[in-house]
Amino acid sequence: DAGVIQSPRHEVTEMGQEVTLRCKPISGHDYLFWYRQTMMRGLELLIYFNNNVPIDDSGMPEDRFSAKMPNASFSTLKIQPSEPRDSAVYFCASSLVTGHQETQYFGPGTRLLVL
Amino acid sequence: RKEVEQDPGPFNVPEGATVAFNCTYSNSASQSFFWYRQDCRKEPKLLMSVYSSGNEDGRFTAQLNRASQYISLLIRDSKLSDSATYLCVSRNTGTASKLTFGTGTRLQVTL
Repeated sequence: DAGVIQSPRHEVTEMGQEVTLRCKPISGHDYLFWYRQTMMRGLELLIYFNNNVPIDDSGMPEDRFSAKMPNASFSTLKIQPSEPRDSAVYFCASSLVTGHQETQYFGPGTRLLVL
Repeated sequence: RKEVEQDPGPFNVPEGATVAFNCTYSNSASQSFFWYRQDCRKEPKLLMSVYSSGNEDGRFTAQLNRASQYISLLIRDSKLSDSATYLCVSRNTGTASKLTFGTGTRLQVTL
């Protein structure tokens, strides 16, 4: 089975540019999460969706960040304009809740460097 | 104060040693707990869930103390392949699926 797929795996861009990160969740999963990981702050939840609907975006740092999930198999996280402090690894994860059981499966991440 | 706190380490232990990691959580509404493992430059992966009664999976044992808001992970007979960062994770009542991660404890097992 294919796991969570993210693209690109690496992105280097200049300050002020728009960055779009993409995610394909595991087929059949009904939750999708976007996380950001830095050395200083660890792994932080930015936003998550349930059945393509955003449930909690309280972790989105500011208006420069936006996320969409147009269908069950695709999501994007956009940063516009990007800033050096956005440099981090961005992970997408998906899960399927069945009863009390749930495991989040993470994608390989996108390493973003904003110069 | 972070909601989930861990000693960042690193813990350097020889192969075959037993090592324990601790984690504390501040939100009394936290209901479920997990340990995730993250290898260098890789994604986190679920290692094990933590149950109130304690649970064991091979060389790994997880314990939960709700009174002290404390979680532990014990690794017996450490292997070189256990070298990784171990993330303590909580999930709160009423926030289905929203996980809160600690910053992780780094383990280095040496020959």
